[in-house]
Amino acid sequence: EVQLLESGGDLVQPGGSLRLSCAASGFTFSSYGINWVRQSPGKGLEWVSVISRSGDTTYYADSVKGRFTISRDNSRNTFHLQMNSLRAEDTAVYYCAGIALGRWGQGTLVTVSS
Amino acid sequence: EIVLTQSPGTLSLSPGERATLSCRASQSVSSNSLAWHQQKPGQAPRLLIYGASSRATGIPDRFSGTGSGTDFTLTISRLEPEDFAVYYCQQYGSSPYTFGLGTKLEIK
Repeated sequence: EVQLLESGGDLVQPGGSLRLSCAASGFTFSSYGINWVRQSPGKGLEWVSVISRSGDTTYYADSVKGRFTISRDNSRNTFHLQMNSLRAEDTAVYYCAGIALGRWGQGTLVTVSS
Repeated sequence: EIVLTQSPGTLSLSPGERATLSCRASQSVSSNSLAWHQQKPGQAPRLLIYGASSRATGIPDRFSGTGSGTDFTLTISRLEPEDFAVYYCQQYGSSPYTFGLGTKLEIK
């Protein structure tokens, strides 16, 4: 069964950093790319970033460009989202999701507050 | 950036009725790379449709997607009680991969 499991969400101060992980199982990891999508409390879905199956192509939303970095670790079947210079408006539940996989993770909560 | 406009914002229907949700793009969506997602309160979203018209694994056949270019539609042929939720369209043909604001399908 295809599974995506996020972790790493936490309470962090403005200006701080956090690294989210998305552990994948149930499929050939190297054959799929992944998206990160976030949802602020009571709001809709916001696409954040995507990485290709090879890892050589990445895209970012303007709101996170230059601050967030998406990556993949093929040896550990894990995707990562490195988040730096965090702001209050980055507070959200962060999901990893694969359209080709047909699967979303359950999400991990990031709260940016002093 | 492709802006997706979903309509209506809220749709009030009864179980057994047919639901038609619209998603209009500000420019043509490349390769019909349009997905529909369902989200229930307190839950993660679930992929229903990808490629504008292909059902994801395990999705009942009462859900169907149609459209191309800039106009897309999600149809639920006969509403079941578990179908009342928020539905989002998303284009993944060109970065940034934008979402619509959602249509809330509520019980009348």
